[in-house]
Amino acid sequence: DIQMTQSPSSLSASVGDRVTITCRASQGIRNDLGWYQQKPGKAPKRLIYAASSLQSGVPSRFSGSGSGTEFTLTISSLQPEDFATYYCLQYNSYPRTFGQGTKVEIK
Amino acid sequence: EVRLVESGGGLVQPGGSLRLSCAASGFTFSSFWMGWVRQAPGKGLEWVANINQDGSEKYYVDSVRGRFTISRDNAKNSLYLQMNSLRVEDTAVYYCARVTQLGNFDHWGQGTLVTVSS
Repeated sequence: DIQMTQSPSSLSASVGDRVTITCRASQGIRNDLGWYQQKPGKAPKRLIYAASSLQSGVPSRFSGSGSGTEFTLTISSLQPEDFATYYCLQYNSYPRTFGQGTKVEIK
Repeated sequence: EVRLVESGGGLVQPGGSLRLSCAASGFTFSSFWMGWVRQAPGKGLEWVANINQDGSEKYYVDSVRGRFTISRDNAKNSLYLQMNSLRVEDTAVYYCARVTQLGNFDHWGQGTLVTVSS
């Protein structure tokens, strides 16, 4: 099974800050990685697919990068509505695996 | 508009069974893989199972293989998850999700809560 190690598990940031979240795969997954945002009591929402492709309708302050084993989600200027938990997902092979999540909180 | 609506959750005793349903609309259901993802209270997301367009290919996470069965009825635009021999650790919100051609989940339902407790 491919393990997805996501870091940090939580972070505190202020509105306007640049935020970076990392996912590391235990083996190469090409660019078969997505990023999801989840707010309390809500279903996850896809932000990024194929490691760097922005989901239609998602603000351009979100971006993804990486390939192989190292991936990054960047929020260029954190907005109040971005406080949420973020997950990466590898879909290169079965079983599909998510990272442990990163909770982004208000500083 | 793509819409996925889960139903069938509830309280069940350990060892019991439950069948979840997901009603799909707003897209050609028979053209897409579909899947189930769960989230235990206060925990992260866990992929459960995927099924291909005609139901001939199914994949499961090890912890549910042999106990859970994913299926679909394309005539009814519906996805199902039959859950048998339920355990306390199966307690979670279960989400139905559409799988894209690339293999990730692009649309999700609102989820249905399954509680396994005596």
